[in-house]
Amino acid sequence: EAGVAQSPRYKIIEKRQSVAFWCNPISGHATLYWYQQILGQGPKLLIQFQNNGVVDDSQLPKDRFSAERLKGVDSTLKIQPAKLEDSAVYLCASSLDRGPWNEQFFGPGTRLTVL
Amino acid sequence: SQQGEEDPQALSIQEGENATMNCSYKTSINNLQWYRQNSGRGLVHLILIRSNEREKHSGRLRVTLDTSKKSSSLLITASRAADTASYFCATDPEETSGSRLTFGEGTQLTVNP
Repeated sequence: EAGVAQSPRYKIIEKRQSVAFWCNPISGHATLYWYQQILGQGPKLLIQFQNNGVVDDSQLPKDRFSAERLKGVDSTLKIQPAKLEDSAVYLCASSLDRGPWNEQFFGPGTRLTVL
Repeated sequence: SQQGEEDPQALSIQEGENATMNCSYKTSINNLQWYRQNSGRGLVHLILIRSNEREKHSGRLRVTLDTSKKSSSLLITASRAADTASYFCATDPEETSGSRLTFGEGTQLTVNP
């Protein structure tokens, strides 16, 4: 079974530039998550989708971050404009469904460096 | 402060020894999960323990949960160099209907050959 795919793996940009990350979840997984992991910290949930709808974006900085999952499969996370403090690894995860008993499978992440 | 705080922050042991990591949390939970993260890689799910369970085993892993103390421990027995990684606990709060994991800051485990 193919895992969660993410691209690019690495990205370096200047502050105030825009950047987009892509995620393709495991086939058949209805729930998709984006996490931000700052160096030395645990992942922090940014947004959760159920199919093509947002179920939790309470921790997403909506003034600069946006995400979509238009067809309920793959997803894009965008930062516009980027700040220095956005330097982090952005992890995508998916699970079969919502609910506390569904295991989340993580992709390898995209490491973003903002200069 | 974060839900799910691991202790110690870093642990260095010799191959063959046991490693114990602890996690404390603040709110009522549906379950608590442990993940491993190798350097530069994504997270791998290790084990999930439900709020009504007290102990769970998976291979060389043993997890305990004490909901009265809001704490959990992860024991890795007979450690190997390949166990070197960061270990995170993640809690699924009771008040959410979905799966909204809150991760701690992790324990960096180094197993020396």
